[in-house]
Amino acid sequence: RKEVEQDPGPFNVPEGATVAFNCTYSNSASQSFFWYRQDCRKEPKLLMSVYSSGNEDGRFTAQLNRASQYISLLIRDSKLSDSATYLCVVDQTGANNLFFGTGTRLTVIP
Amino acid sequence: DTEVTQTPKHLVMGMTNKKSLKCEQHMGHRAMYWYKQKAKKPPELMFVYSYEKLSINESVPSRFSPECPNSSLLNLHLHALQPEDSALYLCASSQQGPSNEKLFFGSGTQLSVL
Repeated sequence: RKEVEQDPGPFNVPEGATVAFNCTYSNSASQSFFWYRQDCRKEPKLLMSVYSSGNEDGRFTAQLNRASQYISLLIRDSKLSDSATYLCVVDQTGANNLFFGTGTRLTVIP
Repeated sequence: DTEVTQTPKHLVMGMTNKKSLKCEQHMGHRAMYWYKQKAKKPPELMFVYSYEKLSINESVPSRFSPECPNSSLLNLHLHALQPEDSALYLCASSQQGPSNEKLFFGSGTQLSVL
């Protein structure tokens, strides 16, 4: 089983739609969770950290479910500029490493 | 604009060439990383320097040789690469050290090995 698994997509959604991505992780001891965004041929950029209580930043909401070992990202009112690959990142406690999921590709269409 | 600067942005080299990738950050971060990313794949960790000492080497072939001259600089020396080494090479930094911190990435060096 991979450390971090994501549905690669692609997710094609119309502008204004709400879209959600899930990401599962294998290490129950993981403590840190992030969503990164990566545009084509660009570097990954931190979108948001994911906290145990869930957190929101504008149109973006991140949730953590420790019991089922997954994190989620919800995007409301999708914009064309949201088109990108969204990478789930989880720490591997004790291994001093962060694991990247394969990424979920989102395309928002006009 | 990213606060982690990588040069060059693009590099084409032959299999017998020697070249170096450079990375610089002035955020006072004490951990620096090299990642390799192939198209449509996630970044793969290569090396981690923590407080200027190599702390992680993910079984990278010796044709890749990292160097950390000081806390702000990170180099990756390349020698006798293979065509399959063509990829986007990303440098990143974080405040204290590996594991559970936010990473700040440079814009990467797109490397092509002919």
